[in-house]
This record gives sequence, C-alpha cells and structure tokens, in this order.
Amino acid sequence: GEDVEQSLFLSVREGDSSVINCTYTDSSSTYLYWYKQEPGAGLQLLTYIFSNMDMKQDQRLTVLLNKKDKHLSLRIADTQTGDSAIYFCAESPGGSYIPTFGRGTSLIVHP
Amino acid sequence: NAGVMQNPRHLVRRRGQEARLRCSPMKGHSHVYWYRQLPEEGLKFMVYLQKENIIDESGMPKERFSAEFPKEGPSILRIQQVVRGDSAAYFCASSPPRQAYTGELFFGEGSRLTVL
Repeated sequence: GEDVEQSLFLSVREGDSSVINCTYTDSSSTYLYWYKQEPGAGLQLLTYIFSNMDMKQDQRLTVLLNKKDKHLSLRIADTQTGDSAIYFCAESPGGSYIPTFGRGTSLIVHP
Repeated sequence: NAGVMQNPRHLVRRRGQEARLRCSPMKGHSHVYWYRQLPEEGLKFMVYLQKENIIDESGMPKERFSAEFPKEGPSILRIQQVVRGDSAAYFCASSPPRQAYTGELFFGEGSRLTVL
C-alpha cells in the first residue's frame, strides 16, 4: 500500500469548515507537512508540524497529529472559494529529509 | 527573488526521442529535488541533488533516466528513448542548505511531458 494515504475529494460549502485527513505508515516520521497546489501551479508549503507536537494553529489553519494512530489532519476554518485546490499530505522520515507525498485531496468549495 | 523556474512548461515528444527538462533553483538554494506526478497518482520522489553531486537517486528508474546539477547552470532531468508511460508532470523543488533539514521544499510550476 501507499506510504501516505488521503481521500481524493472533499466538497464543502463556503463558510463551513473543511477537514482533510491523512494517514501515514512510517513511525519514524520526523516532520509532517501540508502543501497546497492550485491549478497549473507548483506545490506551496502551507504548514508543517514536528512529530513531538500534537497541534499547530496558524490563522484559519489547524493541524492535528495523532502519532499513535499515525493520523494527520488539516482543518480550514471559514472555507473560502479561494481555498479550492489540491492539498497534499507529506511526511519526512527520520534520517531522510526527503518528503513522501500522498495522492492529494481535491477540495471543492461551493458558493 | 524569483521562484523555482522550470522549462519547458509543456513538452511533446514522440516515442524514442529524448526529453530534457531544466530547473533553476531559487537564488541561494543549493539543493534540488525532482518529483514525478503520473495521472491519477501522487508525487513520486525521483532524485535529490546538490551542486555536482547526486545525493539520493532511489526513485529514479534504472534505465533511460538521468539527472545532473552542474556547478554552473540549471539542473537537468534527461529521459532517453521516451515511452508513453513517461507522460507525466515533472516537478522540481529546491531548498537552501539549512531548510533542507526540515524538508521544506519550494516547488516550480512543473514541466508537463506528453509522449505521442
């Protein structure tokens, strides 16, 4: 199976919260990341969390890490149409700082 | 400070031809990474280079693919004798030495290769 798994699609209404989930397999992951890819563009780092943390908040973004279950989530509060994009979860295992990416979750925000 | 520059953005090749993809990292970045995104799949790591050195090529196919990052000039990903299965988006990313050790990468917009 894949090292990093995430659902492929999420559809929400503008103003609602979006929660994108991710699971990973490598228990030695040191850093976990969320990247955003807009159409026709490259990936842009949104936020990352170090493995000894369980939560990180940055304005409308909240990252939750459950290290026991190897589960990472990204919550976007007050989702806007401009948040429509593909969101990639990634992990960087200990000893290697090369991120492994999931397949990406397409977030569609309806007005 | 210009971002990571990749060219060409789109490349069409016939089976058996060669494809060369170029990547200029951000100013001050000495680490370059190549990823491939196949249709309906996520990003797959291919190779990690520093100036004049290949650090990790564990994701590179054993044949037909090569990469370099010379002392001067851009990093080049070269695909010889392309086949239809090579059709994909190829992303380059770079990082400065300090941030290389948190895995924070700065991505280019990608080069989309289509093999006819």
